[in-house]
Amino acid sequence: KNQVEQSPQSLIILEGKNCTLQCNYTVSPFSNLRWYKQDTGRGPVSLTIMTFSENTKSNGRYTATLDADTKQSSLHITASQLSDSASYICVVARGSGYALNFGKGTSLLVTP
Amino acid sequence: DVKVTQSSRYLVKRTGEKVFLECVQDMDHENMFWYRQDPGLGLRLIYFSYDVKMKEKGDIPEGYSVSREKKERFSLILESASTNQTSMYLCASSWTGSVTYEQYFGPGTRLTVT
Repeated sequence: KNQVEQSPQSLIILEGKNCTLQCNYTVSPFSNLRWYKQDTGRGPVSLTIMTFSENTKSNGRYTATLDADTKQSSLHITASQLSDSASYICVVARGSGYALNFGKGTSLLVTP
Repeated sequence: DVKVTQSSRYLVKRTGEKVFLECVQDMDHENMFWYRQDPGLGLRLIYFSYDVKMKEKGDIPEGYSVSREKKERFSLILESASTNQTSMYLCASSWTGSVTYEQYFGPGTRLTVT
């Protein structure tokens, strides 16, 4: 069964600290893995997309890693800011990349 | 920048009403999608369209229909709204020529059915 599991479900950190979000998947055949950021009441916005051959990708303070062998990905946030408070969704595309499997998201709260 | 707009941010309808949710994208994307998002369930695909007048059922199409008469516009229709259709509805679009089929999302419509 094609599944995407994210952990933790929620996380609270102090402003300026780093954090890492996890994503494990069983989707097959794998096409690419995406991380989206969704602010409350808004649509998701893409942070990174990684294909099978990529094992790390950065977007500013966001760094995503992918281990295709263990089917795991992580999103590392460096020097967190209050504006990082959002839900982070891991999405795995299968086959040609058309069909998506969504994780349920990790809710991150950054406090002053 | 890709822009995907949705006709309403918030909508309140009564049970049994016919509801139209509109989505417009300005990047000439071939593919358009409708999702609903509920707490603890994540995003679930309702319908998608890969061309004008073409549509495909997603994972949860029951109680919904769609219309795509023009390339830039994709409508979601709730024929007879029910309270279990209270949700956040998200529209997305993607370009077939993209290697990754990256999807661009609209801001969402929060629908409440009373």
